[in-house]
Amino acid sequence: DGGITQSPKYLFRKEGQNVTLSCEQNLNHDAMYWYRQDPGQGLRLIYYSQIVNDFQKGDIAEGYSVSREKKESFPLTVTSAQKNPTAFYLCASSIFGLAQNTDTQYFGPGTRLTVL
Amino acid sequence: QKEVEQDPGPLSVPEGAIVSLNCTYSNSAFQYFMWYRQYSRKGPELLMYTYSSGNKEDGRFTAQVDKSSKYISLFIRDSQPSDSATYLCAMSGGGSSNTGKLIFGQGTTLQVKP
Repeated sequence: DGGITQSPKYLFRKEGQNVTLSCEQNLNHDAMYWYRQDPGQGLRLIYYSQIVNDFQKGDIAEGYSVSREKKESFPLTVTSAQKNPTAFYLCASSIFGLAQNTDTQYFGPGTRLTVL
Repeated sequence: QKEVEQDPGPLSVPEGAIVSLNCTYSNSAFQYFMWYRQYSRKGPELLMYTYSSGNKEDGRFTAQVDKSSKYISLFIRDSQPSDSATYLCAMSGGGSSNTGKLIFGQGTTLQVKP
């Protein structure tokens, strides 16, 4: 089955802790993305990567970090610097990336992070 | 003002009704318009996409784009309880660089009652 997997499905974090969310894809897509979804708001772009070993900040990158060491994997770390991390986090991938406006993004099932 | 505006609802309709979901936008450079469906606690899935103006039909779903009014719509005919979900509009093509960046509406929650 081709697709995007995210783990864990639910994650609880104590204040002051860093946590890492996993995202893996077997679609052979070059580009991968992380979004944050809050109630009543649309998806907001945190980070994106259009190629291995390269990534760029999105609109709300503060308090987050990423790596892209393998084409299939794009983990997101939510650091203690993120002031309001409780949200639903979505990973996506696409064939080409943001240089093409007709590229389609496919989403994973999401990780719900709650800060205790 | 947000670049993309979408009424969050909730919208409740009886089974079999025609549903109209809408988004307005401010950036006239947008060219690629999408509708995603998101079930509760799941990731969004692409439902329809349209390039530039016009209509596109797929089964019970019709997507319309009116670029002159900066207005897009998704119509669902013969709505079913399984259509109950949040519908997100998204668009791209609005910048000279990173033209593929998606700008999302807030999402409209739809409930279809049996």
